Amino acid sequence: AQTVTQSQPEMSVQEAETVTLSCTYDTSESNYYLFWYKQPPSRQMILVIRQEAYKQQNATENRFSVNFQKAAKSFSLKISDSQLGDTAMYFCAFTASGGGADGLTFGKGTHLIIQP
Amino acid sequence: EAGVAQSPRYKIIEKRQSVAFWCNPISGHATLYWYQQILGQGPKLLIQFQNNGVVDDSQLPKDRFSAERLKGVDSTLKIQPAKLEDSAVYLCASSLYDTQYFGPGTRLTVL
Repeated sequence: AQTVTQSQPEMSVQEAETVTLSCTYDTSESNYYLFWYKQPPSRQMILVIRQEAYKQQNATENRFSVNFQKAAKSFSLKISDSQLGDTAMYFCAFTASGGGADGLTFGKGTHLIIQP
Repeated sequence: EAGVAQSPRYKIIEKRQSVAFWCNPISGHATLYWYQQILGQGPKLLIQFQNNGVVDDSQLPKDRFSAERLKGVDSTLKIQPAKLEDSAVYLCASSLYDTQYFGPGTRLTVL
C-alpha cells in the first residue's frame, strides 16, 4: 500500500515571499504520478501541478514548481511570489497507474496562510 | 468545458436516516470516483467506476453505503442508515487518463 506524508500541518508566510511545502511518499511501484491539489474554504479541490515519475525534469506551472527526488521519494511544492489567494489547504497525492487512473492516496494536508 | 457537478452542496440529516448524493462528471470522462473527506484529513477513496463497472470498492462500507453509475455517466452515492461518523465532505472526481478533476463536494452533517 502507498502512503503519503505531509509533515507541516500549517505554514504562514508574508505576501510575495517564497514558500516550500514538503511531501514524502512510500511505494514499491515504478510507474506513478504525483500531484499537488489546492483546497480553499470553498472545498473545491483544484489541481495545482502534476509530475510523472518517469520524467526527471521537475514540473512547473507559472509560480508553482516542484522538486521531485525519486530516490528519496520526496515531492515538494515551491510557490514563488506568494499571493493572498494562495491561502488554502494543500494536499499532496499519489496514484500508481498503468494506463487508466487508479484512486488517489492523499496526505493529511498543509494549511498555508499568506499574510498581507 | 463544464466541470464536475455535484448536488446537493449541503445536507443535514438525523442519524439512521438515509441520504443520496448525485454526481455528473466531465463529458467524456470514463472514470468516476467518490471520496470521503473527514474534517482535518485528506480525502479517502470510497469507490471507483470505469464506465458503469466498479473497479475498486475496497474501502466502501458496504453494509450502509452503496453507489451506482447508470449508463456510464451520472453516479449516485447512498448512505442508509447514516451514522454520526459519516459526517464529512463527499467529493466526486472524474478522469480521462491520469489526472482527476473534482467537483465542489457535498457537506453532510449527521445529527
